[in-house]
Amino acid sequence: SQELEQSPQSLIVQEGKNLTINCTSSKTLYGLYWYKQKYGEGLIFLMMLQKGGEEKSHEKITAKLDEKKQQSSLHITASQPSHAGIYLCGADTGANSKLTFGKGITLSVRP
Amino acid sequence: DTGVSQDPRHKITKRGQNVTFRCDPISEHNRLYWYRQTLGQGPEFLTYFQNEAQLEKSRLLSDRFSAERPKGSFSTLEIQRTEQGDSAMYLCASSWGAGAEKLFFGSGTQLSVL
Repeated sequence: SQELEQSPQSLIVQEGKNLTINCTSSKTLYGLYWYKQKYGEGLIFLMMLQKGGEEKSHEKITAKLDEKKQQSSLHITASQPSHAGIYLCGADTGANSKLTFGKGITLSVRP
Repeated sequence: DTGVSQDPRHKITKRGQNVTFRCDPISEHNRLYWYRQTLGQGPEFLTYFQNEAQLEKSRLLSDRFSAERPKGSFSTLEIQRTEQGDSAMYLCASSWGAGAEKLFFGSGTQLSVL
C-alpha cells in the first residue's frame, strides 16, 4: 500500500517568513492533493497536482510535484497567522477516488 | 446549500454503548465517503457509497461498524459496543462524480469513548 511521509512534523515560524513543507510517497504519484485542516474541523482542498514538474499557486501558496522523486513540496510566502493549521497531503490510489493521507504537518505562525 | 453537514459534532459515550452518526452530503452528490482520523494522524478511508450502493469497505471497518445510505442521500455510520480505540474524528465527504479534487469534507464528528 502507498505511504506518504510528511516533513517536518511541525513548524513554528514568525509572521512574514517563508516556509516549505514536504510530502514524499513510497510509490509513484499519480495525483497528489494538498489540504488544510483547522484543529477539530474538516479538510479544505488547496491544490491538486497530477503531472511531474507541475506547479500551482493560490494566493501565497505554491505547490510543486517532482514525479521522479515521488515528492511534492508546498511553499508559503510571507506567512500570516491565517496560514496556521494542519497541512495534509493525500495521494489518489486510483480506485474510487479514495485518498491515502500523510500524518499532516502542524504549522504555527507567530504574530 | 451549506456544504456537507455532520451530526452530532461531538459525542461522548461509555465503552460498550452504541453510537450513530449522520452525514448529509451536498445535495445531488452521488458519492459519499467516510474517513476516520485519530489524533496526530491523517484521515483513513473507511467506506464509500455511490448513490445507495456501498461499493467498498476498508479492513478498518470491523463487524462492529455499519454504514448505510438508504435513499442515496444522507448516510449513517453506526458503531456497536464501542471501545476506547474507537475514539477519533469521523469525517464524511461527498462529491459528484469521480476525482478526489471534487471532494467536499464535513466538519466531522468527534467521538470520545470513556
